[in-house]
Amino acid sequence: QVQLVQSGSEVKKPGASVKVSCKASGYTFINYYIFWVRQAPGQGLEWMGIINPSGDSTTYAQKFQGRVTMTRDTSASTVYMELSSLRSEDTAVYYCARAYSTSSELDYWGQGTLVTVSS
Amino acid sequence: DIQMTQSPSSLSASVGDRVTITCRASQSISSYVNWYQQKPGKAPKVMIYAASSLQSGVPSRFSGSGSGTDFILTISSLQPEDFATYYCQESYSTTWTFGQGTKVEIK
Repeated sequence: QVQLVQSGSEVKKPGASVKVSCKASGYTFINYYIFWVRQAPGQGLEWMGIINPSGDSTTYAQKFQGRVTMTRDTSASTVYMELSSLRSEDTAVYYCARAYSTSSELDYWGQGTLVTVSS
Repeated sequence: DIQMTQSPSSLSASVGDRVTITCRASQSISSYVNWYQQKPGKAPKVMIYAASSLQSGVPSRFSGSGSGTDFILTISSLQPEDFATYYCQESYSTTWTFGQGTKVEIK
């Protein structure tokens, strides 16, 4: 069965970086895009970016340009999202989700990773 | 960027009620709208894709309609397990914007 399993919760200090992983299984890894979406406490869903595991191309939301990097390791069927220069407003649950194409729905989601930014 | 405006932001309804949630796009997006259900502490789950297609395994009481700028999610007879927050999302542009969400609560 399709699964996206994310790394565990993180606590970081302001100014630090965090790297969250998303390991895919149950399908052909390179055939699906991986999206990253975050949700601050009590807030809605916010798209951060997308990576094409096939060609390693990425598109980032303007809001995160310069602070976010998405990479993939095809041998491990894993995608990574690194966010730098963390601030308290980055405290959120970070989700990865897959889509067949850039115009498709997000049909499977990871369980979410809570990142807490606190001094 | 495309803006997705959902209404209402919350609603109270009873089991068995018919519920409609509206999503309006700031420009025409054809039928590139998806609807998600999210329960507390859980990841979102797709319910409707491409405006009106029912995701596999989703009960038929859920339906979607619309095209262009105006979209509707309908729950024909609300069940206890449907109390959740619902989000629309456009997949037309390269910003994949979500609506702000509609919380469906028990009356």
